[in-house]
Amino acid sequence: AQTVTQSQPEMSVQEAETVTLSCTYDTSESDYYLFWYKQPPSRQMILVIRQEAYKQQNATENRFSVNFQKAAKSFSLKISDSQLGDAAMYFCAYRSPDDKIIFGKGTRLHILP
Amino acid sequence: NAGVTQTPKFQVLKTGQSMTLQCAQDMNHEYMSWYRQDPGMGLRLIHYSVGAGITDQGEVPNGYNVSRSTTEDFPLRLLSAAPSQTSVYFCASSYLGQGVTYEQYFGPGTRLTVT
Repeated sequence: AQTVTQSQPEMSVQEAETVTLSCTYDTSESDYYLFWYKQPPSRQMILVIRQEAYKQQNATENRFSVNFQKAAKSFSLKISDSQLGDAAMYFCAYRSPDDKIIFGKGTRLHILP
Repeated sequence: NAGVTQTPKFQVLKTGQSMTLQCAQDMNHEYMSWYRQDPGMGLRLIHYSVGAGITDQGEVPNGYNVSRSTTEDFPLRLLSAAPSQTSVYFCASSYLGQGVTYEQYFGPGTRLTVT
């Protein structure tokens, strides 16, 4: 069965600094999709970034980028120039070829002013 | 576009009662799913559907039923509520496509308490 592991339940970063959130996953598939979602206190789930497993290039969205290591089954999220609005729960998610989506348990990110 | 809507926003049930959580989307998405979110557990997939008339189980399907009679609606039924089903429930939808990554759109959630 596929699993997604986020080993950091909580992290803190100083405003304007860079932080990296870790995610590892386990699968026997070769084609799949990976996502990072953000959940602020409003509870609304917001897509941050996505990565297709067949693409070697790491995805980037403005201040957010990923380090996708397919062989290591690692998918970390880097947030540059952290802002107060980045404070939230962040979830890593894996989507299998048969469309089952598995989420990690989340990392709560605190931004220190 | 209303996106993904869920009703009710809050619900309190007594043990043994039944109820249906409603989910609707107006984006013509083929894929719809239900998750529950518990503290420290992330989101866990309950059931999902890849189109009208097709449903499948996720990680934690026990105690829940679903049906998909239309593309737009994907209700989640609790047949006999138990305190272990106290949680926040999210519905989500997305397009499906071969080799294409489609993001999921989430509803605002339903907070359910079973006493």
